[in-house]
Amino acid sequence: AQSVSQHNHHVILSEAASLELGCNYSYGGTVNLFWYVQYPGQHLQLLLKYFSGDPLVKGIKGFEAEFIKSKFSFNLRKPSVQWSDTAEYFCAVNRYNNNDMRFGAGTRLTVKP
Amino acid sequence: ETGVTQTPRHLVMGMTNKKSLKCEQHLGHNAMYWYKQSAKKPLELMFVYSLEERVENNSVPSRFSPECPNSSHLFLHLHTLQPEDSALYLCASSQGGGGAHGELFFGEGSRLTVL
Repeated sequence: AQSVSQHNHHVILSEAASLELGCNYSYGGTVNLFWYVQYPGQHLQLLLKYFSGDPLVKGIKGFEAEFIKSKFSFNLRKPSVQWSDTAEYFCAVNRYNNNDMRFGAGTRLTVKP
Repeated sequence: ETGVTQTPRHLVMGMTNKKSLKCEQHLGHNAMYWYKQSAKKPLELMFVYSLEERVENNSVPSRFSPECPNSSHLFLHLHTLQPEDSALYLCASSQGGGGAHGELFFGEGSRLTVL
């Protein structure tokens, strides 16, 4: 069955620490990859996306993600987190030209001031 | 403002009630979705409508009944629900399929509690 796995359920960091959140998927073929963020009390919003081209994708608020096709991975990174990055982060995958977008279980990030 | 509006934001219902969730998108998209968000679980895709036709139904119990009267509106009709159906129900829209688009725009969700 196709699935999306996020390795960490809850990550706690201090401000200025570096962040890496893991995401692996099990689809074969061409995929579109996404990271969404949900700040407390707010709606899910797109952080960044990968469709094709450069596997290192830059998103909003200093986030980036790297697509490694051989590892079926799309890990999210940020060199220096801020307290305002406290949120839940969701990795999502859909197959090319397909409406069926699948999400991971999410990783809750808590950044201590 | 997300461009996707869901009402009501909160709903409490008994197991014998009939209620509906409403979603409206103002983005001109041609696909709409219902997801269920439960604590510590992946978002569960429930239904997908593309060009007003249902294209995805992921083994959702018949007590959930979707309706898409046009490309801007999506409903989720609820009847004889169970307490385990309590969750946040998210509506989303997108333009096209995967391709070069496929990004979902989400509403703020309808928090459902079934007593």
